[in-house]
Amino acid sequence: NAGVTQTPKFRVLKTGQSMTLLCAQDMNHEYMYWYRQDPGMGLRLIHYSVGEGTTAKGEVPDGYNVSRLKKQNFLLGLESAAPSQTSVYFCASSWTVYQPQHFGDGTRLSIL
Amino acid sequence: AQKITQTQPGMFVQEKEAVTLDCTYDTSDQSYGLFWYKQPSSGEMIFLIYQGSYDEQNATEGRYSLNFQKARKSANLVISASQLGDSAMYFCAMRATPTGTASKLTFGTGTRLQVTL
Repeated sequence: NAGVTQTPKFRVLKTGQSMTLLCAQDMNHEYMYWYRQDPGMGLRLIHYSVGEGTTAKGEVPDGYNVSRLKKQNFLLGLESAAPSQTSVYFCASSWTVYQPQHFGDGTRLSIL
Repeated sequence: AQKITQTQPGMFVQEKEAVTLDCTYDTSDQSYGLFWYKQPSSGEMIFLIYQGSYDEQNATEGRYSLNFQKARKSANLVISASQLGDSAMYFCAMRATPTGTASKLTFGTGTRLQVTL
């Protein structure tokens, strides 16, 4: 049972490089979310999607873009990586806004 | 704005003992949900238990129970009969009334629980 799968699990980038994080869920969930986790700050919402073709900004959206071209996939992009974006990134999905969010295992991203 | 406060950065408990992890919240919404997640050292986030603001009974899931005191705005997690595998970071989170068509979880800063022999 895959649930929510994030790729890659680890990545090191240089400042100014771009990359895309992929989140895939096999639970047919409508809602998908991208969070970042920094030491001592808990998780903060970057962007979210309420269905295929829709995206919306969360608490900390600057420097990130997202796309949801297929219901099962939610992509997080960094166009020009900055050291402040060094973090652990979590993707989550849920049936509805009221149901628990199920998380992937995270992507550890370091930007030098 | 919603806020979650977890005042215990770290807790120790002996194996087989019960432990309470504190969580207080602040919201002006009448309808909201409270969640607890466990994050082991391996890093994944594991959903443990959920309590809705209108639920009259405290939620329970196996060894986990949620002590919900609405007037005090607290939602403490109680783990009974602690096991070594319970050693992890625990996060309290709140989902407030959806705005438009979606809502988000607001997380606390977490409590690191260490279970000892």
